[in-house]
Amino acid sequence: QKEVEQNSGPLSVPEGAIASLNCTYSDRVSQSFFWYRQYSGKSPELIMSIYSNGDKEDGRFTAQLNKASQYVSLLIRDSQPSDSATYLCAVILPRLGGGNKLTFGTGTQLKVEL
Amino acid sequence: DGGITQSPKYLFRKEGQNVTLSCEQNLNHDAMYWYRQDPGQGLRLIYYSQIVNDFQKGDIAEGYSVSREKKESFPLTVTSAQKNPTAFYLCASSLADRNTEAFFGQGTRLTVV
Repeated sequence: QKEVEQNSGPLSVPEGAIASLNCTYSDRVSQSFFWYRQYSGKSPELIMSIYSNGDKEDGRFTAQLNKASQYVSLLIRDSQPSDSATYLCAVILPRLGGGNKLTFGTGTQLKVEL
Repeated sequence: DGGITQSPKYLFRKEGQNVTLSCEQNLNHDAMYWYRQDPGQGLRLIYYSQIVNDFQKGDIAEGYSVSREKKESFPLTVTSAQKNPTAFYLCASSLADRNTEAFFGQGTRLTVV
């Protein structure tokens, strides 16, 4: 089982709709979760972080975390063509012997259509 | 201005050569990471370091080596033992506290010619 899993997509949504991106993780001790956006040929940029169960909203973005189900999601409201990118879910996995391992899923490609 | 700087942006390597990718940060971050990304795929962890003079292997460390002699610098050497080194390499850094975000450099695109 992969440590962090995402559906690779592509996920296509019409402009103005809500895009829903999902991620599951395997290690119950994980406590820190992040969503990054990556445009083609560019490096990832952080868009959301979430550490406790429930919802966290920032503008058009809402991150949702359910630790019991080991599930984290990202909602993008009023999707715009500029939101078309790959969205990467990342989880910090604490490691015995030291170090916090920041692990990424394979990413979900989002396409927002006019 | 603060940030993470990777150099060079593009790098060409001949078969059998070692090459070193630079990553420097002036954010006073303790933790630094190296990832590899292949076309259409996610980020795979090569090495990571939480403090100076200490680092851990990630998921695909074979054929790579790192050093962490200074807090600001975490260079990655791609050795001739790495059989398929053509990829996009990304360096990231964060505070050592697990509840902090990591930020990325602009990446180095390595091509074997």
